[in-house]
Amino acid sequence: DTGVSQNPRHKITKRGQNVTFRCDPISEHNRLYWYRQTLGQGPEFLTYFQNEAQLEKSRLLSDRFSAERPKGSFSTLEIQRTEQGDSAMYLCASSLYSGVEQFFGPGTRLTVL
Amino acid sequence: DQQVKQNSPSLSVQEGRISILNCDYTNSMFDYFLWYKKYPAEGPTFLISISSIKDKNEDGRFTVFLNKSAKHLSLHIVPSQPGDSAVYFCAASAVQGAQKLVFGQGTRLTINP
Repeated sequence: DTGVSQNPRHKITKRGQNVTFRCDPISEHNRLYWYRQTLGQGPEFLTYFQNEAQLEKSRLLSDRFSAERPKGSFSTLEIQRTEQGDSAMYLCASSLYSGVEQFFGPGTRLTVL
Repeated sequence: DQQVKQNSPSLSVQEGRISILNCDYTNSMFDYFLWYKKYPAEGPTFLISISSIKDKNEDGRFTVFLNKSAKHLSLHIVPSQPGDSAVYFCAASAVQGAQKLVFGQGTRLTINP
């Protein structure tokens, strides 16, 4: 089964450190999304790629956050100078250009101490 | 502003009976609606979707109903099974553009034996 994979599954870091997460989408999917989910809330949209182009970013994505999708395959999400408020589950999803349904990975749970 | 709302944080249903989960939305631009199921420590799993040109979509034990005039949708699960116990998220999207998903807060469904 070649579903969406995310690494690492868990990350604990100290405030002020940088962290990077990776997402590998379903291979034929050309759209890739990042979402963030905090306790008791639904996932919130962060950013979206179509192939290698980052086409939309949420206002939730401060300048400490950067995402890339080189060559339109895997994607990375980096958070610089982490803050305790960044503690959340970071979810990646992918979809076909022709489809609305998005398929999610297992997420990376970030804890900032 | 919460564009997608699930007003029931939790729902408890007897095994074999019908589970009805509700969702309301405010943005008239939404034209595609999805339900996801989430187990702890996993990413959301796509269940069923409906386009705004339809008022009902059925897939096995799952049926989604859409009332556009009321901006309301519901997910019916019949018969409910213990494995259905999970958090259910309603999500909405506009087919044009990024097709990002806007999620409700989720409803925790518990199926009692």
